[in-house]
Amino acid sequence: QVQLQESGPGLVKPSETLSLTCSVSGGSISDYSWSWIRQSPGKGLEWIGNIHNNGGSNHNPSLKSRVTISTDTPKNEVSLTLSAVTAADTAIYYCARFVIGVRKKIWFDPWGQGTLVSVSS
Amino acid sequence: EIVLTQSPGTLSLSPGERATLSCTTSQSVSSSYLAWYQQKPGQAPRLLIYGASSRATGIPDRFSGSGSGTDFTLTISGLEPEDFAVYYCQLYGSSPLVTFGPGTKVDIK
Repeated sequence: QVQLQESGPGLVKPSETLSLTCSVSGGSISDYSWSWIRQSPGKGLEWIGNIHNNGGSNHNPSLKSRVTISTDTPKNEVSLTLSAVTAADTAIYYCARFVIGVRKKIWFDPWGQGTLVSVSS
Repeated sequence: EIVLTQSPGTLSLSPGERATLSCTTSQSVSSSYLAWYQQKPGQAPRLLIYGASSRATGIPDRFSGSGSGTDFTLTISGLEPEDFAVYYCQLYGSSPLVTFGPGTKVDIK
């Protein structure tokens, strides 16, 4: 079964770039689409963006052009970079597989355990 | 932008009771694009229901989803101790492309 594990620095300074990696096991990343989702402490869930196995991507307009999602097929990893971070970007960051099923049903499964990133000087 | 509203914000029930959680969308949506997740403290969300009514693999049949148009429901037919958690609905296809509801917390009465 597919399993996901996020990794990256737990602390990033304001105005710098946040970089996270999602290591995928149990399946090839080229067979699926992938997403990043975050959750601010004590808050709800916010979709960051998707990258599809056809190379296309989408991201949340609220994050403007700060988001880049990419894949490294040989390493079987999905990456997220978020530039010019502020304290508002402090959150648990999750990667998840984005699934388009029969009759175009859409869901996220599975999810990684998440990694907490704090933005502070 | 389609807004998701979940009610109630908190549902206080006893084990064995039936839980009925609501997710309302501000515009009519395709049921194919509506999913439900469970999140326990310190854990990632777990998929329960997709396509509004299809149970995910390994999800007990006490969980069921229904609805269409703007009104969707997650029902837990008899609460088990492990079901006390926060539940989120999720919609695909608007702008932003994916939105989550604010969540309903089911806690022990």
